[in-house]
Amino acid sequence: GENVEQHPSTLSVQEGDSAVIKCTYSDSASNYFPWYKQELGKGPQLIIDIRSNVGEKKDQRIAVTLNKTAKHFSLHITETQPEDSAVYFCAAREVQFYFGTGTSLTVIP
Amino acid sequence: NAGVTQTPKFRVLKTGQSMTLLCAQDMNHEYMYWYRQDPGMGLRLIHYSVGEGTTAKGEVPDGYNVSRLKKQNFLLGLESAAPSQTSVYFCAHSPGVHSNQPQHFGDGTRLSIL
Repeated sequence: GENVEQHPSTLSVQEGDSAVIKCTYSDSASNYFPWYKQELGKGPQLIIDIRSNVGEKKDQRIAVTLNKTAKHFSLHITETQPEDSAVYFCAAREVQFYFGTGTSLTVIP
Repeated sequence: NAGVTQTPKFRVLKTGQSMTLLCAQDMNHEYMYWYRQDPGMGLRLIHYSVGEGTTAKGEVPDGYNVSRLKKQNFLLGLESAAPSQTSVYFCAHSPGVHSNQPQHFGDGTRLSIL
């Protein structure tokens, strides 16, 4: 089955700086890649996604890039704010969804 | 939350007791999933269903059973609870595989087995 690796496991940035989280996947048949944000005591919430026929997608301060050849995709958050502090998960889907192990992001005011 | 209701939200069990977790969705989606989340382990798929009356095993199915008698409901059962099943359980649902749409998660059931 698919194997998704996510790095780093923890990330601290100063408010206003950028944050980058990277994921790799193993199954070239995976064709859909969502990113989730999980706040304490809540379920994961979709923040952005990308399909395999697209290389980059932006939504305000959040962007995702996909390199199908290298089988990796990344989440970019610019102008970070304290409310961006949360755990972020990447996922890849062929039939099932396979998740990375999460990145705990802390934005320091 | 995202059209998903999980009950109960919290539960404490003794080893050997049984219980059922209920997930209900109101978006008429075909696929439903049960995950467990443990510190440092991310989300691990227990069982999933691709439609009413169907179930399939995920990554960590042992010790759990599921049923999907109605399209909107997906039940997770623990027949004889063990301390290793202490975890946070999340239900999710999504459209079919060809839609390339995300999963929608509930807010979880926090289960402690003593």
